[in-house]
Amino acid sequence: QVQLQESGPGLVKPSETLSLTCSVSGFSITSVNDFYWAWVRQPPGKGLEWIGLVHHTGSSRYNPSVRGRVTILVDTSNNEFSLRLTSVTAADTAMYFCARGRVDYYMDVWGTGATVTVSS
Amino acid sequence: QSVLTQPPSVSGAPGQRVTISCTGSSSNIGAGYDVHWYQQLPGAAPKLLIYTTFNRPSGVPARFSGSKSGTSATLAISGLQAEDEAAYYCQSYDRSLSARVFGGGTILTVL
Repeated sequence: QVQLQESGPGLVKPSETLSLTCSVSGFSITSVNDFYWAWVRQPPGKGLEWIGLVHHTGSSRYNPSVRGRVTILVDTSNNEFSLRLTSVTAADTAMYFCARGRVDYYMDVWGTGATVTVSS
Repeated sequence: QSVLTQPPSVSGAPGQRVTISCTGSSSNIGAGYDVHWYQQLPGAAPKLLIYTTFNRPSGVPARFSGSKSGTSATLAISGLQAEDEAAYYCQSYDRSLSARVFGGGTILTVL
């Protein structure tokens, strides 16, 4: 059974960098080419926002809303992928979910989420 | 402002049928990209409910169905149950943004 689990600091200071890792179990990130590894966030009381994704080859795509501040990397040796968001502000406070993406643009398996608060 | 537009809320009595609309544009749904639906129970992660417009993952009851026409899509829930109370999100791909996009979400209340 595929499981994803987010981890990382729950509190980040304004202007600093948010870093999260998603550990994947029950499935090899490199096993099939048709899967992607994505990050989605949800500000408190608001809807979902797709942040970006990475393929196990390292190829990545990002939402224009965060492009320039975001990097998503894959670590195939540890079967995990990561999110790095620089120059954070209070607007980046959210629940961050990692998810497995499919070639038809949807996400079929989700992590439980990690709460990140941006505050001094 | 979300790229895909959903009604903020819908409601229905147990046993009834409700529908949730998702309106896009010629750069996403109207361009032929599939629509996907997620259910998010309070305090939980989203769960895939419908993929590629009308397909249900294993374990999702047949009470949930999806359809698409033009620049809009619809999620229908028949035989409404109390456990269906949740937020529902549509999602597609937008070729102008080169990004996956979500609707703003619809809160379903079972009366």
